[in-house]
Amino acid sequence: QSDLTQPPSVSGSPGQSVTISCTGTSSDVGYYNRVSWHQQPPGAAPKLLIYEVTSRPSGVPDRFSGSKSGNTASLTISGLQPEDEADYYCVSYTNNTTLIFGGGTKLTVL
Amino acid sequence: EVELLESGGGLVQPGGSLRLTCVASGLTFSNRYALSWVRQAPGKGLEWVSGISGSGGGTYYSDSVEGRFIISRDNSKNTLYLQMNSLRVEDTAVYYCAKDPAPRVRGAFDIWGQGTKVTVSS
Repeated sequence: QSDLTQPPSVSGSPGQSVTISCTGTSSDVGYYNRVSWHQQPPGAAPKLLIYEVTSRPSGVPDRFSGSKSGNTASLTISGLQPEDEADYYCVSYTNNTTLIFGGGTKLTVL
Repeated sequence: EVELLESGGGLVQPGGSLRLTCVASGLTFSNRYALSWVRQAPGKGLEWVSGISGSGGGTYYSDSVEGRFIISRDNSKNTLYLQMNSLRVEDTAVYYCAKDPAPRVRGAFDIWGQGTKVTVSS
């Protein structure tokens, strides 16, 4: 099974908003509301940002939000800050009772 | 503070075996939390490898490791394992253990370990 499709890179200036897309199929993203987003700063372990498409764990700023339409989930980061520079990964449950990650998106804060 | 600590990584020849261990501190595994192994090859993205339900009764694998790796857990020891057999060069990666906040594998990993490095090379 191929990775979920994410743009390799996105960029924005401080204070701006960026959106990262995550495209799957009707067997994963499109069928289940089990899409999560994880942030991985350089040299660090990943950290959960969003789960079940739109839910935010405690401690994650509300600048981070998730949504889904059809087979595509999205992560929006508003009010960009320099510390948001990191790699971002989506992951979805699939109908094979497995998980599949996106290829990752590198966010650059200009 | 809740932490997951992986160990057992190292250098192994192709065809060899390794067993990874992940121990939780500040957290009781119990049957309420599913666990997974996720790996990251050098310079590459995250790849889900295997998951196990809270009770241990359900185990799941990616196609790339099915039949070679075995995931297990001992809730009484707060420990997750990954037995890796018939290792290949392409299994070289940092292996993370990760916890789901529910009994079924979902990918909502609210706790990640720091990773253990596995290198498969002759």
